[in-house]
Amino acid sequence: QAQLVESGGGLVKPGGSLRLSCAASGFTFSGYYMSWIRQAPGKGLEWVSYISDSGGNTNYADSVKGRFTISRDNAKSSLYLQLNSLKIEDTAVYYCAGSPPRYSLDTHDIWGQGTVVTVSS
Amino acid sequence: QSALTQPHSVSGSPGQSVTIACTGTTSDVGSYNYVSWYQQRPGKAPKLMIYDVNMRPSGVPDRFSASKSGNTASLTISGLQADDEADYYCCSYAGSYTVIFGGGTKLTVL
Repeated sequence: QAQLVESGGGLVKPGGSLRLSCAASGFTFSGYYMSWIRQAPGKGLEWVSYISDSGGNTNYADSVKGRFTISRDNAKSSLYLQLNSLKIEDTAVYYCAGSPPRYSLDTHDIWGQGTVVTVSS
Repeated sequence: QSALTQPHSVSGSPGQSVTIACTGTTSDVGSYNYVSWYQQRPGKAPKLMIYDVNMRPSGVPDRFSASKSGNTASLTISGLQADDEADYYCCSYAGSYTVIFGGGTKLTVL
């Protein structure tokens, strides 16, 4: 069945960097818009970034613009998020999520289990 | 952009109905018929319950229904069951390939 598996989270100091990965299986990854969505401890969901099915179009939340970079490799059915200049407030569970073809970007019908990013000195 | 506004918590007894409101602006909920709702149990990933304002994915019980009027979307859960206890988030397309979530509502089944 359709599955997303995130990896790459960990503990990093403020100002540091991390690269998150999301491996897809069981569905046609290249047809899906993909997003990263995060959830700070005890808080709600926050959309972080989106990438189109081809990878040719991306967008970011204002809170991460200029610091995070989303990318994908359709040949490897993988999604990535490069996190630079990390701040304490970036501490969260990071989920990758997919929006099926011809559905709106807010419709995420596939979610990973999340990977934890902790930014602390 | 500020999160969509949801009540912090709602509650109901088994068999009753509850409605969760989600208020946005003319830049998001009010402009697009692209509102979705997610159920999140503790420690788990969110699950899509409603998309395109009032459409249910296969497998979601018809006890879950939703609507939208102006800048406010609503999720109604009828015939409450203990298993419905979870956090619920609304989500709206906000134009220019951006998405905005609500702050979340904790549903307690008494």
